[in-house]
Amino acid sequence: DIQMTQSPSSLSASVGDRVTITCRASQNISSHLNWYQYKPGKAPKILIYGAATLQSGVPSRFSGSGSGTDFTLTVNSLQPEDFATYYCQQSYSTHKTFGQGTKLEMK
Amino acid sequence: QVQLVQSGAEVKKPGASVKVSCKAAGYTFSSYGITWVRQAPGQGPEWMGWINPYNGVTYYAQKFQVRATMTTDTSTSTAYMELTGLTSDDTAIYYCVREGSSGPHIYFQYWGQGTLVTVSS
Repeated sequence: DIQMTQSPSSLSASVGDRVTITCRASQNISSHLNWYQYKPGKAPKILIYGAATLQSGVPSRFSGSGSGTDFTLTVNSLQPEDFATYYCQQSYSTHKTFGQGTKLEMK
Repeated sequence: QVQLVQSGAEVKKPGASVKVSCKAAGYTFSSYGITWVRQAPGQGPEWMGWINPYNGVTYYAQKFQVRATMTTDTSTSTAYMELTGLTSDDTAIYYCVREGSSGPHIYFQYWGQGTLVTVSS
């Protein structure tokens, strides 16, 4: 199975800050990398697919980059509703593994 | 619009089995696979397996190969996931998911509301 490693596991930031979350795959997954936002009591929400394509309706302050094994999710000008947990997921293989998550907390 | 509506919360004793349902609406059920994902407390989501409602083909994560059975009923547009031999480690929220795709890229676009399964003696 492909292992996905996210860092940091938690992050404190303030409204208006720019934050970056990284995700590393244990093998080359090309650009088959998705990012999800998770809030307690709600199902995860797809933010970015194909490493860099914003899902329809997702604010443009979210962006993704990377290919191969190293990927990043950047949130510019954090808004109050962005404080949540973020997961990366590889869709390269049938067994679509997730990272362990990055909890973004308000400072 | 696409909707996936899951069955309600379950409390089970160790060693028991649980069967979670997922009723789909708003699209042609047999045209898209259904994935099952679970999330245990404090953990990341875990891919359990996938089923093609059109022909019943399934793929399971190795750790669930023996204990999980995924089925579908196309007459009611419902998917099922049964997990046997429950232990406390199986306490989690279980989600059914329908994929979306764009070119070569697949992502989990539509999620059920989740079903909490609690395993406790």
